[in-house]
Amino acid sequence: DGGITQSPKYLFRKEGQNVTLSCEQNLNHDAMYWYRQDPGQGLRLIYYSQIVNDFQKGDIAEGYSVSREKKESFPLTVTSAQKNPTAFYLCASRQGGSNEQFFGPGTRLTVL
Amino acid sequence: SQQGEEDPQALSIQEGENATMNCSYKTSINNLQWYRQNSGRGLVHLILIRSNEREKHSGRLRVTLDTSKKSSSLLITASRAADTASYFCATANPQIIGGGSQGNLIFGKGTKLSVKP
Repeated sequence: DGGITQSPKYLFRKEGQNVTLSCEQNLNHDAMYWYRQDPGQGLRLIYYSQIVNDFQKGDIAEGYSVSREKKESFPLTVTSAQKNPTAFYLCASRQGGSNEQFFGPGTRLTVL
Repeated sequence: SQQGEEDPQALSIQEGENATMNCSYKTSINNLQWYRQNSGRGLVHLILIRSNEREKHSGRLRVTLDTSKKSSSLLITASRAADTASYFCATANPQIIGGGSQGNLIFGKGTKLSVKP
């Protein structure tokens, strides 16, 4: 059953804590993306990775960090430096040569 | 950097009616895609139209692209209650870092469609 998974589905964080969101894909896609979605808004790009061991900042990278040690995994860490982290986070992947992105089910992060 | 802007922001119709959503963008593009998002879920790709195409069909979906007006429309014919979702356009812009062949997309804010049974 190929696809892209995100965990957890819901995450609660206390102020000042770092949290890591998981994103795994078994589609053998080269590129992976992290987006943030706020209520009633579109998606904003946080980080992207075109290949293993390489990643680039998107439009709103401040307060976030990523790693791409394996092709199938692209975890996102929301650090305490992110002042307004409450949002819906979406991970996506894309096969090289194609423009279509495949999305995971999302993680809803709430800061208490 | 918001590229696409959908119009209307919200649309409410009866089952069986057609739904039309519009998307306007600002710069040149390689292609334009439409995605659907059910509430609280991930996005699902619906259709892609390339910059040299004017119209494309997929089942009950019809997409048009007018590059001279920098606009696209998505038509859903004979709508069903199950079509209730938010619809987003996304553009692949060769001029942005990561755009073009690198595949980065810029998403609009979406149209929230409600189809009443």
